Amino acid sequence: EAGVAQSPRYKIIEKRQSVAFWCNPISGHATLYWYQQILGQGPKLLIQFQNNGVVDDSQLPKDRFSAERLKGVDSTLKIQPAKLEDSAVYLCASSLAFDRAGANVLTFGAGSRLTVL
Amino acid sequence: AQSVTQLDSHVSVSEGTPVLLRCNYSSSYSPSLFWYVQHPNKGLQLLLKYTSAATLVKGINGFEAEFKKSETSFHLTKPSAHMSDAAEYFCVVRGDGSGNTGKLIFGQGTTLQVKP
Repeated sequence: EAGVAQSPRYKIIEKRQSVAFWCNPISGHATLYWYQQILGQGPKLLIQFQNNGVVDDSQLPKDRFSAERLKGVDSTLKIQPAKLEDSAVYLCASSLAFDRAGANVLTFGAGSRLTVL
Repeated sequence: AQSVTQLDSHVSVSEGTPVLLRCNYSSSYSPSLFWYVQHPNKGLQLLLKYTSAATLVKGINGFEAEFKKSETSFHLTKPSAHMSDAAEYFCVVRGDGSGNTGKLIFGQGTTLQVKP
């Protein structure tokens, strides 16, 4: 099966600019996750969708970050305006479900590396 | 709240020698625990998972981990390191106690270096 697709792989912007990342999950996966991985740290969950509804966005900086999954398939994560501390790899992952054993194994994409200057 | 602590930020071994990556967890209930591996410029790959079945869990590429409740540990081992094992390894626990059972909480990571 095709994996989780993400684009762009790399992006360099200046602070206060905006950026958007796109994710296409594995076909049939209802749950989609966006994680932020700052250099030298483990990934941190930003937002989790079940179909097109939000399950958890408790760690999403909502003053500058937004995400949507309008048709329950693809998702976009946007940062506006970007800060220096947003430099990180943004990982998208998907799973069949999130609340059933055996269906909640995450598959990760390769990530989108953001550098904010 | 659930959490994991990886006790070593960097481990260096020689090729052919055993690997031990240490992880302690904190959980108010029986946890689901995982080890993920991340090779440079690649996505995270699941190595193995513990979900309250057998305490000794076997994963891919010869890795295994043992769940020890008395020690709140879930250490990752491999009998003989290969050069291709050089990567970043993450110990992960599922759920943060808030009810979101899909949330993965990652440790800080351990960089495994394998010397020829």
